[in-house]
Amino acid sequence: QKEVEQDPGPLSVPEGAIVSLNCTYSNSAFQYFMWYRQYSRKGPELLMYTYSSGNKEDGRFTAQVDKSSKYISLFIRDSQPSDSATYLCAIHRGSTLGRLYFGRGTQLTVWP
Amino acid sequence: DGGITQSPKYLFRKEGQNVTLSCEQNLNHDAMYWYRQDPGQGLRLIYYSQIVNDFQKGDIAEGYSVSREKKESFPLTVTSAQKNPTAFYLCASSMGTSQYFGPGTRLTVL
Repeated sequence: QKEVEQDPGPLSVPEGAIVSLNCTYSNSAFQYFMWYRQYSRKGPELLMYTYSSGNKEDGRFTAQVDKSSKYISLFIRDSQPSDSATYLCAIHRGSTLGRLYFGRGTQLTVWP
Repeated sequence: DGGITQSPKYLFRKEGQNVTLSCEQNLNHDAMYWYRQDPGQGLRLIYYSQIVNDFQKGDIAEGYSVSREKKESFPLTVTSAQKNPTAFYLCASSMGTSQYFGPGTRLTVL
């Protein structure tokens, strides 16, 4: 079983839609949860960072973590064509020598 | 400007040749990482280094080698033993849990 699972999509929505991206993970030891955005042929960029359960909001983006069900989500409100990218979730145990585990990424297209 | 640089952006090599990909960072991060990305596969960890002169194998280390002689530099060599080297290679660094990525090198083996 992989540490983190993510539906690769693709997901295609009209401009203005609310987008929901999701991942599940297998081990309750993971404490830190991240979302990266990757445009085509570019390196991923850190979009959202959360610790433990709860919500974190940044503009049109909301990251949500439910540790009881081992489920993490990223919501995008009022989606724009510029949001078209691949979104990768990532998890970390938080230990000094730990590593990130990435989901496969979900490809999102927002059409005008 | 602080950041991570990878060079070259595109690299072409003949089958059977070793090739070295460059990764440099000026963020003063202790840890550095190499990932491989194939279409639909996400990021797969090749090697990582938490400190100078030390590194660990990731999930797909076979056919690759690394060195970490300086804090700023973490070059990756793709050897002729790597059966399917054509891919997009990403370098990252971190101080703590978040990783920051370079722009990537697209390697094509002909």
